[in-house]
Amino acid sequence: DTEVTQTPKHLVMGMTNKKSLKCEQHMGHRAMYWYKQKAKKPPELMFVYSYEKLSINESVPSRFSPECPNSSLLNLHLHALQPEDSALYLCASSTGLAASNEQFFGPGTRLTVL
Amino acid sequence: DQQVKQNSPSLSVQEGRISILNCDYTNSMFDYFLWYKKYPAEGPTFLISISSIKDKNEDGRFTVFLNKSAKHLSLHIVPSQPGDSAVYFCAARYGNKLVFGAGTILRVKS
Repeated sequence: DTEVTQTPKHLVMGMTNKKSLKCEQHMGHRAMYWYKQKAKKPPELMFVYSYEKLSINESVPSRFSPECPNSSLLNLHLHALQPEDSALYLCASSTGLAASNEQFFGPGTRLTVL
Repeated sequence: DQQVKQNSPSLSVQEGRISILNCDYTNSMFDYFLWYKKYPAEGPTFLISISSIKDKNEDGRFTVFLNKSAKHLSLHIVPSQPGDSAVYFCAARYGNKLVFGAGTILRVKS
């Protein structure tokens, strides 16, 4: 199994809703990542987890709350989002954090905040 | 401040010819460079990479060239095939971070 899966594929939520994005990989990777990609822009790093511990938080607002319950699973909990948070949210994983470890990306969750 | 720049938003090439995608960077701390390909409705897929201590890496039809003094890298695809039509992202790493360029849309015409 060499893929990263993300659910849901699409999500529409109101500003008062609470929702979660899910990411899963079964490649034995110990580093997992969340990226945000706005239209016609490059993916931007949000969070990095290494061995289930948060390694990097790129000054992301607290309305985004990541969670890594185990080495295969990465969640992103969403609460009180703003319309400008609408974007494609990409999850990725890699063997480790070393520079040569290529990242494998999931297909993304397309989030729309109304 | 864009640390990784892909100045050509799109490129159109005839099938069988060479495609050259360019990328410039500003941060001399980057020590590893990668190219990703992205089809619509899919996540980016790793294509090829190069360490900053090398100037060339080849994998089949794909070759990446790195010019550290110019802070420039390029991806050569030869021969180009219609299935290569996608968005190509250049990315650079320092520490645990991967910084992406804005992408170049490649269209290979048959």
